[in-house]
This record gives sequence, structure tokens and C-alpha cells, in this order.
Amino acid sequence: DQQVKQNSPSLSVQEGRISILNCDYTNSMFDYFLWYKKYPAEGPTFLISISSIKDKNEDGRFTVFLNKSAKHLSLHIVPSQPGDSAVYFCAASGKTSYDKVIFGPGTSLSVIP
Amino acid sequence: DARVTQTPRHKVTEMGQEVTMRCQPILGHNTVFWYRQTMMQGLELLAYFRNRAPLDDSGMPKDRFSAEMPDATLATLKIQPSEPRDSAVYFCASGLVLSGRGAGSSYNSPLHFGNGTRLTVT
Repeated sequence: DQQVKQNSPSLSVQEGRISILNCDYTNSMFDYFLWYKKYPAEGPTFLISISSIKDKNEDGRFTVFLNKSAKHLSLHIVPSQPGDSAVYFCAASGKTSYDKVIFGPGTSLSVIP
Repeated sequence: DARVTQTPRHKVTEMGQEVTMRCQPILGHNTVFWYRQTMMQGLELLAYFRNRAPLDDSGMPKDRFSAEMPDATLATLKIQPSEPRDSAVYFCASGLVLSGRGAGSSYNSPLHFGNGTRLTVT
């Protein structure tokens, strides 16, 4: 039973355009949401996060939007660059220090030059 | 630049053999996670530790998997006996989690991952 879902296994976008990666979650106790990026043969690296008290967090070309009522978040990359081609994992955790970080299955993004 | 170190990077073994994967977390981090990456499940949580004590290992097949932290600089994941279905990439991640804050909170350090151990069981 997956608590964090990324229903699109892959996405292709033209360079310069917007990439939108989606994530849905089922556990209403999740309080923090994160995006990680993974290149082949490397471990995932942290990209951006958002707390449940916010609905938007921005860091340069990356913006994460959170819709708590829909249990949905999305990562926007504008403009997309070829170096953004990677697997993107959505993750979530609860508010207590014992809560673990649960990852989704990932979305493979290809940015076409 | 501090990083999580995992050894070995690759391991090929025959079914039934014991496999030991090692992880050196970042110095000062108090939380260690073990994840397994598969095509179907993505990053699947196997176990995690806080201050070397196991907090949750419900994601591990108990009969064959075991995870330990003999000291603060070493975490191990063992599979005995290994099976072909264990073939995957195993990642270790460490972080500093403050008391009263969720592991994903921006008050904590984000999880830092090692580059993984690619295990193939034939």
C-alpha cells in the first residue's frame, strides 16, 4: 500500500519549457514534503521541501506547490534544462521525530535539447 | 564536502550466500536509513536508526535481513541467505534529526544519501 504515489513513470519536455512533476499522498498525518533528484549510479540528492503550513515554496527555477485538501503536490521546473534530466522522487514524513521519510516510486524526466 | 560512504559499490553473489553491505554516515548525524530501490517500488524503506537504536525495521524481511549499528560510524545491512529477488540497489542515508521535529522537517538536515550498493544475486 503506497502512501506516496507518483503516477507518471516518465515525462519528456523540451528545453526551456516548464516541467511539472506530480505527487499524491494518502496519509493525512504527513507534515513535510520533499523532492529529491537522482542521476544514474548516484544516490538521490535533496532538491526542495515544503511544510504543510505553506502552499508554495520557491528556490530558483524550482517551485513546489502543496494542495493539502487534495493531498497533492507538484514540482515545477522553469525553464527546464538538459541537466535536469534525472529521476525525481517525492517524499513525505510526519511531524514527530520518530516519523520516517517515505518515498514515492519516482518520475524519470527527460529534457530534450 | 561530507558524504555518506557505502561499500561495496557492486556485489555479485550466488543464491544462498551471505551478503554484508556497509555504510559510514556523515559525522555528527544521528539518524541512519536503509532504502532499497526497485523498479516497481521505487525507494522502499527497510530500516532506520536514531542514535544507533533501531526505530523501525518493519520494511525488512525478518527471516533473512538484519540491520545493525555497531558504532556511530558504521551501519550494516546483512542478508542471509540471499535470494535472486533481493537483487536491487541498496541505499544508506543519514541525517541530523532534532528532538520534536519530523525527519523531513526543514529544521533538520535533509537526508544525505550514499551512492548505493548494487546487489545481484544469481
